Amino acid sequence: QSALTQPPSASGSPGQSVTISCTGTSSDVGNYNYVSWYQQHPGKAPKLMIYEVSKRPSGVPDRFSGSKSGNTASLTVSGLQAEDEADYYCSSYAGSNSCVFGTGTKVTVL
Amino acid sequence: QVQLVQSGGEVKKPGASVKVSCKASGYTFTTYGISWVRQAPGQGLEWMGWISAYNGNTNYAQKLQGRVTMTTDTSTSTAYMELRSLRSDDTAVYYCARDGFVLVTAMNDCWGQGTLVTVSS
Repeated sequence: QSALTQPPSASGSPGQSVTISCTGTSSDVGNYNYVSWYQQHPGKAPKLMIYEVSKRPSGVPDRFSGSKSGNTASLTVSGLQAEDEADYYCSSYAGSNSCVFGTGTKVTVL
Repeated sequence: QVQLVQSGGEVKKPGASVKVSCKASGYTFTTYGISWVRQAPGQGLEWMGWISAYNGNTNYAQKLQGRVTMTTDTSTSTAYMELRSLRSDDTAVYYCARDGFVLVTAMNDCWGQGTLVTVSS
């Protein structure tokens, strides 16, 4: 199972928006609406930010939104804040009761 | 509150085995599963496998088949991950994360704090 492809880095100024892509195949992202996004600060465990493509867990600000088109899912962070600076990973159900993660994107708040 | 607490860091020699524990609290253990995810230093997340705490069903990542075993002890709400024939590239932080109890959902809403396993001669 190959990792989903994410850009290595993304950046934006405070208040701006940044969008991160997550490209898979028709065997994972393209075939299931079980795409999640995680935020990970250095030395910390990942935190669930988006699940089932576009749903937000309780407590996650509505500045975070998710979408999907074909084999590519996207995470948008609007109104960037300093605390949004972190690594972001997508994941997808990949069939046969398995999961695959993305390569990760480092978001920098300029 | 929902919590997963993992065992402490380990240092192992190549060829040895390691067993990491993950104790759950704050929810009914058998109504969820546990996925195990690892992260090598400076690298991304890698899904290792999943176990249902409901019926013990497992599914492992193909690259780890034959070296990894995941189990649960429902009497103590604890999940375990054992990795054998350790190599240097198994050096990583190992995480447990709550998942679905029938199928993998790719929706891990609670994570353990991570356990650093270092493989070195």
